[in-house]
Amino acid sequence: GAGVSQSPRYKVAKRGQDVALRCDPISGHVSLFWYQQALGQGPEFLTYFQNEAQLDKSGLPSDRFFAERPEGSVSTLKIQRTQQEDSAVYLCASSQLGGSYYEQYFGPGTRLTVT
Amino acid sequence: GENVEQHPSTLSVQEGDSAVIKCTYSDSASNYFPWYKQELGKRPQLIIDIRSNVGEKKDQRIAVTLNKTAKHFSLHITETQPEDSAVYFCAAIAYSGAGSYQLTFGKGTKLSVIP
Repeated sequence: GAGVSQSPRYKVAKRGQDVALRCDPISGHVSLFWYQQALGQGPEFLTYFQNEAQLDKSGLPSDRFFAERPEGSVSTLKIQRTQQEDSAVYLCASSQLGGSYYEQYFGPGTRLTVT
Repeated sequence: GENVEQHPSTLSVQEGDSAVIKCTYSDSASNYFPWYKQELGKRPQLIIDIRSNVGEKKDQRIAVTLNKTAKHFSLHITETQPEDSAVYFCAAIAYSGAGSYQLTFGKGTKLSVIP
């Protein structure tokens, strides 16, 4: 079946611009996660949704970052007034159910470059 | 919060030899330990995982061991092939409160299999 998809795959933004990154999880997956992966590093947790509820946003680096999942399926990560340090790959992952015993499947990521 | 250390950061082996990657974690409450393979520019792919109620799991040429007392787990790849060349990430999951759980990743090991 279809895996996790993300769009756009690449985004170049001028410093100060707002960007919106989209994630389509695997159909029926309850849990959705956003991660930030800097070059040469492992993914770092940003935020977690269970259905439409954002249960954890402790990893969001600043109040310029905002995520939503209004209908419990597609999610959008929005970054306002982008800065150069926001340049990274943003990965989305989904999991079948809540709890720690379910595998997370990743999307291909959106590579954001802020110039 | 959870902290995951991964070693080595780079590993070169001859084709057909074995490769071992080791990780330690800090949170004794962590109970799920996946391993991901990431090829350049691609999404992280789950290759094997282990849960805290078992000490070892094997899937063809890949095995993972877990020592909960020492809080470390390892990935073993036997009969390595050039297509095993990639960056491998270990991760540990822990509850972060309010129904949320987070995957914390190691910094990755770049495995090169020399034909």
